[in-house]
Amino acid sequence: DAGVIQSPRHEVTEMGQEVTLRCKPISGHDYLFWYRQTMMRGLELLIYFNNNVPIDDSGMPEDRFSAKMPNASFSTLKIQPSEPRDSAVYFCASNNPAGDGYTFGSGTRLTVV
Amino acid sequence: EDQVTQSPEALRLQEGESSSLNCSYTVSGLRGLFWYRQDPGKGPEFLFTLYSAGEEKEKERLKATLTKKESFLHITAPKPEDSATYLCAVHLNNAGNMLTFGGGTRLMVKP
Repeated sequence: DAGVIQSPRHEVTEMGQEVTLRCKPISGHDYLFWYRQTMMRGLELLIYFNNNVPIDDSGMPEDRFSAKMPNASFSTLKIQPSEPRDSAVYFCASNNPAGDGYTFGSGTRLTVV
Repeated sequence: EDQVTQSPEALRLQEGESSSLNCSYTVSGLRGLFWYRQDPGKGPEFLFTLYSAGEEKEKERLKATLTKKESFLHITAPKPEDSATYLCAVHLNNAGNMLTFGGGTRLMVKP
């Protein structure tokens, strides 16, 4: 079991550029979550999917953020255009409702300059 | 409004000095309370789930307990490798499969 895999681990981009973060959940997990972590606000849920369908996107901060899950093994979080205040660590997590808790990936540290 | 508050924000202990971390919550319809450990540069790692008041769970030097208003994570005779940020999160009855996290407690154990 390779766990939840996120890429890239680090991303530095200029303001105004498009950024795409990627996630591969654990096989068999039918829930996928995108969280953002900052010192000021802690861990915030952005959006989550169940069986590839978005269930709750109320945490997506603005229209600049979008997320997709085209199949059970892949999800993307896109920011366009990026702004310096988007700098944070973005985590993907997956969950099997029959089990306890989420399994988190190692995160993508995004820096927008 | 549902709230999850962790205290203290940071805690320094000497190796072997036992202590407790607190997670208080004001929510309606608690389905479960989770504890996670997060090391620098890594994602949170699942530790425990507690479902009902009075429940306790243990793992090595850690013991988690739950009341109707709060949860404690007791650390007995900590070692430097226990240094990490500890996060609690609540799963609510009306919140699908979402977890709402507290701000975390940063624990530093000095040898």
